Amino acid sequence: TQLLEQSPQFLSIQEGENLTVYCNSSSVFSSLQWYRQEPGEGPVLLVTVVTGGEVKKLKRLTFQFGDARKDSSLHITAAQPGDTGLYLCAGGGGSNYKLTFGKGTLLTVNP
Amino acid sequence: DSGVTQTPKHLITATGQRVTLRCSPRSGDLSVYWYQQSLDQGLQFLIQYYNGEERAKGNILERFSAQQFPDLHSELNLSSLELGDSALYFCASRDRSGYGYTFGSGTRLTVV
Repeated sequence: TQLLEQSPQFLSIQEGENLTVYCNSSSVFSSLQWYRQEPGEGPVLLVTVVTGGEVKKLKRLTFQFGDARKDSSLHITAAQPGDTGLYLCAGGGGSNYKLTFGKGTLLTVNP
Repeated sequence: DSGVTQTPKHLITATGQRVTLRCSPRSGDLSVYWYQQSLDQGLQFLIQYYNGEERAKGNILERFSAQQFPDLHSELNLSSLELGDSALYFCASRDRSGYGYTFGSGTRLTVV
């Protein structure tokens, strides 16, 4: 069974601070995805990384896939209250039909 | 609107009852996935259909079943409901790239 561990589980910061959340596994994944979920809504796909060592940027968000394709990180620069939400990493996709999700990091950015 | 439609949004029912959750995938997507989300377990994969055929099964209980119809909409049937089945149930569709997953806004099931 492939498992994804996310840390920290909860994070509360002030507007303007930087933060990093982590997603780790003992298994190799063909790809890794990051989602953001807001209360009462489904997860929304932010990014997919498929190559070991890959780095992708989405405005103030930077995503990295580990060289061994077992871990990933999400770094947010100058966090804003609109970044508040549950951040989920998920491994799989492609020919591996299902996604395995971590339990998420609940981020609160205080104004 | 994500393009994936789930109905109903909320459902309250009694233990022992049966309910049906419905999902219409994004136009053009052939794959439908069902997930259950609870506070302690997170998002758990239940089952996947591709163009009407079951493709993969996860932690789906025998009391639960699903199907995908010729028009590609899918239904998740939950029977003999227990209090522990209370959760959010999400449907997602996947595009042909294999990586573009789109989730619906979910059905919140409360079993009382």
